[in-house]
Amino acid sequence: DIQMTQSPSSLSASVGDRVTITCQASQDISKYVTWFQQKPGKAPRLLIYDASKLETGVPSRFSGSGSGTDFTFTISSLQPEDIATYYCQQYDNLLTFGGGTKVEIK
Amino acid sequence: EVQLLESGGGLVQPGGSMRLSCATSGFSFSSYAMSWVRQAPGKGLEWVSGIHGRSAVTYYADSVKGRFTISRDNSKNTLDLQMDSLSVEDTGVYYCAKGSAISPIGAYSGDFWGQGTLVTVSS
Repeated sequence: DIQMTQSPSSLSASVGDRVTITCQASQDISKYVTWFQQKPGKAPRLLIYDASKLETGVPSRFSGSGSGTDFTFTISSLQPEDIATYYCQQYDNLLTFGGGTKVEIK
Repeated sequence: EVQLLESGGGLVQPGGSMRLSCATSGFSFSSYAMSWVRQAPGKGLEWVSGIHGRSAVTYYADSVKGRFTISRDNSKNTLDLQMDSLSVEDTGVYYCAKGSAISPIGAYSGDFWGQGTLVTVSS
């Protein structure tokens, strides 16, 4: 099974800050990573697929990069509405989620 | 508009069974794989099971293999999850999620989600 190690588990940043979250796969998964945003009590929302492609309707301050085993998710300028938990997901071999990163405002 | 609506959750005793359903609309159901994803209270997301759009080939997480059965009815645009031998560790919100391709292999899941249904396993 492919494991996804996501870090940090939580972070606190100021409005306007650049925020970076990483996911490391236990084996080479090419570009097969998605990133989701989940707000409390809500279903997850797809933000990024194929490691770097922005889902339709998602603000351009969200971006993703990486290939192989190391992947990065970035919010270029944190906004109050971005407070949520973010998850990576690999789909090279079935599906596995990372442990999540809770993003809070400082 | 794509819509997914889960039903069937509730309280069940350990060792019991429960069947979840997901009614869908707004897309060509048989052209896409579907998955179930769950979330224990205060925990992260866990993929549970997936099913091919037409071939009915199924896939399961090790944690539910042999206890859960995923199925779909392409004539009714519905997805089901039969859950047997439930344990307290199965407690959580269960989401159905639409896949991005007909096969769940090599394709992401989750461009659309239902609102979730809560399953509580407790005596």
